[in-house]
Amino acid sequence: DQQVKQNSPSLSVQEGRISILNCDYTNSMFDYFLWYKKYPAEGPTFLISISSIKDKNEDGRFTVFLNKSAKHLSLHIVPSQPGDSAVYFCAASANSGGSNYKLTFGKGTLLTVNP
Amino acid sequence: KAGVTQTPRYLIKTRGQQVTLSCSPISGHRSVSWYQQTPGQGLQFLFEYFSETQRNKGNFPGRFSGRQFSNSRSEMNVSTLELGDSALYLCASSSDNSREQYFGPGTRLTVT
Repeated sequence: DQQVKQNSPSLSVQEGRISILNCDYTNSMFDYFLWYKKYPAEGPTFLISISSIKDKNEDGRFTVFLNKSAKHLSLHIVPSQPGDSAVYFCAASANSGGSNYKLTFGKGTLLTVNP
Repeated sequence: KAGVTQTPRYLIKTRGQQVTLSCSPISGHRSVSWYQQTPGQGLQFLFEYFSETQRNKGNFPGRFSGRQFSNSRSEMNVSTLELGDSALYLCASSSDNSREQYFGPGTRLTVT
């Protein structure tokens, strides 16, 4: 059972435009969400996170929106740059007794930003 | 600060052998988590250690084990390797007051 879903395997956008990556989750216990960027044969790089007590978090060109009622979050990248081309993973964790550090990942979305 | 480091970066083993992978967290981080990435299953949580204690474990067979040392460095071990264990093994560390995890470059394990 996939608890975190990224339904778009790929997304292509023009340089300078907005990239919107989407993620849905099913586990209502998830209360912390993160986005990572990953290049092949490298570890994921942390981009931005959001707690379930917020509905928006911004960091530079990256903004994450959380809609708890819809169990949906999205990552907006504005403006998109060719260097943003990578696989983006959505991840979630639950504040469960033993540990907050078990991340459940989506399958990823390959973003291609065309010059 | 130096990032998370993992050794070795690449490893080739034969079915039935065992392997040990090493991870050094970011200085000051006491939580270390391990993940497996395969094309079919994606990124999956293996286990998490804090102050030398395993706090959480994913759904992997007992052949996968780990430990953490007093300096927070961690090792994971896979015994009786199977072809399906071929994967990128990633280590991540976190500080006590943050739920953000920072990943190392990974160890690419190939089982032949």
